[in-house]
Amino acid sequence: RKEVEQDPGPFNVPEGATVAFNCTYSNSASQSFFWYRQDCRKEPKLLMSVYSSGNEDGRFTAQLNRASQYISLLIRDSKLSDSATYLCVVNRNNNDMRFGAGTRLTVKP
Amino acid sequence: GAVVSQHPSRVICKSGTSVKIECRSLDFQATTMFWYRQFPKQSLMLMATSNEGSKATYEQGVEKDKFLINHASLTLSTLTVTSAHPEDSSFYICSALPGVRSPLHFGNGTRLTVT
Repeated sequence: RKEVEQDPGPFNVPEGATVAFNCTYSNSASQSFFWYRQDCRKEPKLLMSVYSSGNEDGRFTAQLNRASQYISLLIRDSKLSDSATYLCVVNRNNNDMRFGAGTRLTVKP
Repeated sequence: GAVVSQHPSRVICKSGTSVKIECRSLDFQATTMFWYRQFPKQSLMLMATSNEGSKATYEQGVEKDKFLINHASLTLSTLTVTSAHPEDSSFYICSALPGVRSPLHFGNGTRLTVT
């Protein structure tokens, strides 16, 4: 079993749709969690950190469920520009960072 | 804040030559930097963890004698692809951590083409 697992997708959704991604992690001692987006042929960029109480940034909501060891990302009112690969990153311990393989999202007009 | 600069952004070299890629943290000190490789339509693959003042930790299957990593200062790590071959053509990305529990900050990547 991989340390960090994501559904690779692809998720194809119409503009305006709500879409959610999950990411599971295997190490219960993991300390911090992040979502990144990566556009084609570019480096990953931080989308948001994930806090224990859940957090929201505009159309994006991130949640952490420590008991079930997963984090989620919800995107509301999808835009064409949201099309990208979304990476889940988990800091296991002492800066040992683990990546999911990414979930590909395509938002269509 | 937390800017990571990677250079060069693109390089084309002939088979058998060596290529050095630099990764700098511009406004913070990074005791740990990471090097990744990404082939087209595939996910990021961690190659090695670069620790300032000590030897890098390589992931399984990554040849340490081929991919030389030097982290001589708190703001600079270099990756040298030695005796490059066409199969080494890939997108190489570095990242650095400003601090404990901080998010990773990525360089803008180096696209290597070996002819």
